[in-house]
Amino acid sequence: DTAVSQTPKYLVTQMGNDKSIKCEQNLGHDTMYWYKQDSKKFLKIMFSYNNKELIINETVPNRFSPKSPDKAHLNLHINSLELGDSAVYFCASSQVLVAGLDADEQFFGPGTRLTVL
Amino acid sequence: AQTVTQSQPEMSVQEAETVTLSCTYDTSENNYYLFWYKQPPSRQMILVIRQEAYKQQNATENRFSVNFQKAAKSFSLKISDSQLGDTAMYFCAINDYKLSFGAGTTVTVRA
Repeated sequence: DTAVSQTPKYLVTQMGNDKSIKCEQNLGHDTMYWYKQDSKKFLKIMFSYNNKELIINETVPNRFSPKSPDKAHLNLHINSLELGDSAVYFCASSQVLVAGLDADEQFFGPGTRLTVL
Repeated sequence: AQTVTQSQPEMSVQEAETVTLSCTYDTSENNYYLFWYKQPPSRQMILVIRQEAYKQQNATENRFSVNFQKAAKSFSLKISDSQLGDTAMYFCAINDYKLSFGAGTTVTVRA
């Protein structure tokens, strides 16, 4: 009964390719996120969606495009992959989005290790 | 400017001993939430403890407790009776409108 799942767990690809990472949560949460963890383990938010609507879009190249077909899914598409895109990508979800409201715990998926050769 | 600062890249502690991890943060919000997450070698992010800024009482979860000093913007984590399974990277995080993480502290528990 995985709460937040991601596929694939590992992704090795060549520079210039286009790839997707899928994320699904079965917690009934309204908000989903994508984070990037670089080689130094630094974690940074990329996007957040609330009920399929984009809420946060950090300074991320437009080669990265999140897509939320429904509130249980948030997929990440990456075009024209570059060496610097190599990282671990985490999907997460929470019940509420912080905006002066109660901040729920964010539940994280297992991560997808992307290696660009 | 970094929002969350963890000044200790690595800490080592003997099993059954206590270790304290430091964290300072910056925010202009009055209402926010603080978290400590644990990331073991499996890389799964696991919530250890959370603290609401409007609560003065320090949060505790079994062997884990925090020392929250709002005026000083400090949020340290104490791990008591350390166990081998506590070996992991620990991230301090603040959620004022988004979740921002510190650089992490690697904790190694020695047998």
